[in-house]
Amino acid sequence: DGGITQSPKYLFRKEGQNVTLSCEQNLNHDAMYWYRQDPGQGLRLIYYSQIVNDFQKGDIAEGYSVSREKKESFPLTVTSAQKNPTAFYLCASRMGIGGGANEQFFGPGTRLTVL
Amino acid sequence: GESVGLHLPTLSVQEGDNSIINCAYSNSASDYFIWYKQESGKGPQFIIDIRSNMDKRQGQRVTVLLNKTVKHLSLQIAATQPGDSAVYFCAENSGYSTLTFGKGTMLLVSP
Repeated sequence: DGGITQSPKYLFRKEGQNVTLSCEQNLNHDAMYWYRQDPGQGLRLIYYSQIVNDFQKGDIAEGYSVSREKKESFPLTVTSAQKNPTAFYLCASRMGIGGGANEQFFGPGTRLTVL
Repeated sequence: GESVGLHLPTLSVQEGDNSIINCAYSNSASDYFIWYKQESGKGPQFIIDIRSNMDKRQGQRVTVLLNKTVKHLSLQIAATQPGDSAVYFCAENSGYSTLTFGKGTMLLVSP
């Protein structure tokens, strides 16, 4: 969707396992974001990165980790410390860094289910 | 913290009607607002945005109205079609390059 790909589309994990969700964009966007969406809920920000090798915690960062080694990639690891990881995870990107009012473009999402 | 919310969780309309989806925001310092459409199992898609120095902005079949006095945002969809059925989110620029999203309103369009 709009040059942002997420993989896999569906992911199953056993309790206690770490799992990494992929997010790649070919839009040459500087900023990238990870959100979590629970049924009937809005999007909650997990982590975001405005530039390579830099990222900031969002509202619900506990139990998650990220890296930003390349401009086009922003993988999210859901660790065993995340107590309720079953959710729909959305990655987004945005042109430009800093303040401003650019829209965020979203990927198709990854649905993670913990068995 | 301050957040964006919606008045109606579900809106049911007939095909051809005009739809109005409302959103209240609480952060008076927000300077940018955006509406997204999300179909089931998919990522949100941009519909329209508006800056705080504007009261109204029109797109194709959609209009966003911003009332800063009462901190209210609305999305109007003209001649609603079955393909418009989805969840609609409003979001506000809540800080340095981040957005705060509301919980969403589900729009159901009957043929």
